Amino acid sequence: DAMVIQNPRYQVTQFGKPVTLSCSQTLNHNVMYWYQQKSSQAPKLLFHYYDKDFNNEADTPDNFQSRRPNTSFCFLDIRSPGLGDAAMYLCATRNSGTPNEQFFGPGTRLTVL
Amino acid sequence: DAKTTQPTSMDCAEGRAANLPCNHSTISGNEYVYWYRQIHSQGPQYIIHGLKNNETNEMASLIITEDRKSSTLILPHATLRDTAVYYCIVSDRYGGSQGNLIFGKGTKLSVKP
Repeated sequence: DAMVIQNPRYQVTQFGKPVTLSCSQTLNHNVMYWYQQKSSQAPKLLFHYYDKDFNNEADTPDNFQSRRPNTSFCFLDIRSPGLGDAAMYLCATRNSGTPNEQFFGPGTRLTVL
Repeated sequence: DAKTTQPTSMDCAEGRAANLPCNHSTISGNEYVYWYRQIHSQGPQYIIHGLKNNETNEMASLIITEDRKSSTLILPHATLRDTAVYYCIVSDRYGGSQGNLIFGKGTKLSVKP
């Protein structure tokens, strides 16, 4: 089945140690999103790629970066994780030619020690 | 900020219809109403969307008032697996130039045996 895959499902890192989360999709969608969801809160958009064009939300910290080497893969890099970055990170995709139906992966839960 | 208001929580008996209200009094003419849900520890899942006409699919029905200032998501025969947080989101058809979904706090629906 076509899907959005996130690896790993659980990631533990140390305070200040760079970490990379990955997302892949078999839907061939041209738009990919990264959301952050802290405990008991709603998902919050960090940034998205429209094809190769990167779009950063105004309030996304500089500590968060992203790469999209090809249509299928997208990475979230956290350069120096702080305790406040512990959260679920959700990847989503969408075909820009269709209504705003986004397909979400299962998420990666990040723990910062 | 989210442009919608939803009750914090609702209960529903298994097998009965679940009616989830949403207020979006500031919706503009080109904006659609989208519903997503998030089952515990999973990524959000698209349910349905509509502009002004009522919509139905295999998951749910969406009733939008004539003035478009509010809507109701109906799960006709709720099951225990429908227990989730339900998000009502207002967005233009293609998510605007930024393709955003701005999640509010949602309604936590608990389906009880």
